[in-house]
Amino acid sequence: HLVESGGDLVQPGGSLRLSCEASGFNFNSYSMNWVRQAPGKGLEWVSHISSTSSTIYYADSVKGRFTISRDNAKNSLFLQMNRLRDEDTAVYFCARNGARYLHFEDWGKGTLVTVSS
Amino acid sequence: DIQMAQSPSTLSASVGDRVTITCRASQSISGWLAWYQQKPGKPPKLLISKASNLESGVPSRFSGSGSGTEYTLTIASLQPDDFATYYCQQYHTYFTFGGGTKVEVK
Repeated sequence: HLVESGGDLVQPGGSLRLSCEASGFNFNSYSMNWVRQAPGKGLEWVSHISSTSSTIYYADSVKGRFTISRDNAKNSLFLQMNRLRDEDTAVYFCARNGARYLHFEDWGKGTLVTVSS
Repeated sequence: DIQMAQSPSTLSASVGDRVTITCRASQSISGWLAWYQQKPGKPPKLLISKASNLESGVPSRFSGSGSGTEYTLTIASLQPDDFATYYCQQYHTYFTFGGGTKVEVK
């Protein structure tokens, strides 16, 4: 079970921190991701973090502006979003990778981030 | 970066129809492909992983095939619950989604 929070209305250039609380599985054994979906558009992978935080990847569209992190003691995943742009407006989902392979096995319901003045 | 070209973008079909959706990768992804179903206002749901492995609880009318750069999702006999948007995703190198296929009522 994955539950995202932290979505809000923010001005361009602003910052926001999203959280994803995990339950019902051994969080510290799974790598995790953020995926976003702009209104009426398709899915866009944003960022990936391995179970120990040793491997982190970002999509080019957010590199240098967003930071993914996790706290395994608190079963939580985070996305720090800085220098937000209009085009970052989207529903942000956290998604868990599979135990053996990297497909996205489970998804949260998402949290809406709106970037607008 | 690996690009995923999914077609068609929209598909009009009737209950009972056989439906086929195709994804083409810009380079070989060696079967590291998943298919997801998404309904409005809901998160995506994993249907198939590793190109052809049906997830537990997914009806057997769904099947996946392909290799190299070409992959297909087939719904053998479309049911009312299957009207949704479908996405392919490669996880060979980072992660990339196809543009989606909306299956709508004909």
